[in-house]
Amino acid sequence: DAGVIQSPRHEVTEMGQEVTLRCKPISGHDYLFWYRQTMMRGLELLIYFNNNVPIDDSGMPEDRFSAKMPNASFSTLKIQPSEPRDSAVYFCASRQTGTYEQYFGPGTRLTVT
Amino acid sequence: SQELEQSPQSLIVQEGKNLTINCTSSKTLYGLYWYKQKYGEGLIFLMMLQKGGEEKSHEKITAKLDEKKQQSSLHITASQPSHAGIYLCGADTGGYQKVTFGTGTKLQVIP
Repeated sequence: DAGVIQSPRHEVTEMGQEVTLRCKPISGHDYLFWYRQTMMRGLELLIYFNNNVPIDDSGMPEDRFSAKMPNASFSTLKIQPSEPRDSAVYFCASRQTGTYEQYFGPGTRLTVT
Repeated sequence: SQELEQSPQSLIVQEGKNLTINCTSSKTLYGLYWYKQKYGEGLIFLMMLQKGGEEKSHEKITAKLDEKKQQSSLHITASQPSHAGIYLCGADTGGYQKVTFGTGTKLQVIP
């Protein structure tokens, strides 16, 4: 398996623009997690899905952030409109029920100018 | 996360030396995870501890969960440059497998 795939790896955008981050989990994994990592706040859980259904979105910072999982092999995290304080590395991770290990993707480094 | 404190925040050691990283939770831990992250990459799972007093090893890395299940230590024996990176502990404090991560410990190993 190729592991968790994220795209793009780097994104530079201007304030006010819409940003869409993409994630393909490992086949057969039924949990999907979106995290954000910054120097100030460390690694924060934004939202997670089980069987494509959002279970806990309490970590989503505000309404400008939205996440979807239309099928078992694809998820998106959208920021609209983006702001400079959204600059961070965004990770996607997946896990299979009955196991403990989360497999992380390589991350998307987002810079909002 | 304020629930989870890691110490030290950074560490520089000479190759071959032993070192210890600590992770303390303000809540009872249902599960304690250790991950390693290299710059520009995602996290790699090292091990997971659940039972008080449990100890696990992965190559030269050993982690232990204390009896009260609120603190864990990660010990590296005879450190090597390949051990360099950021070590993060993650805690499941709700019993529902939602993991909260500490701020990490940055380890540098000098040849």
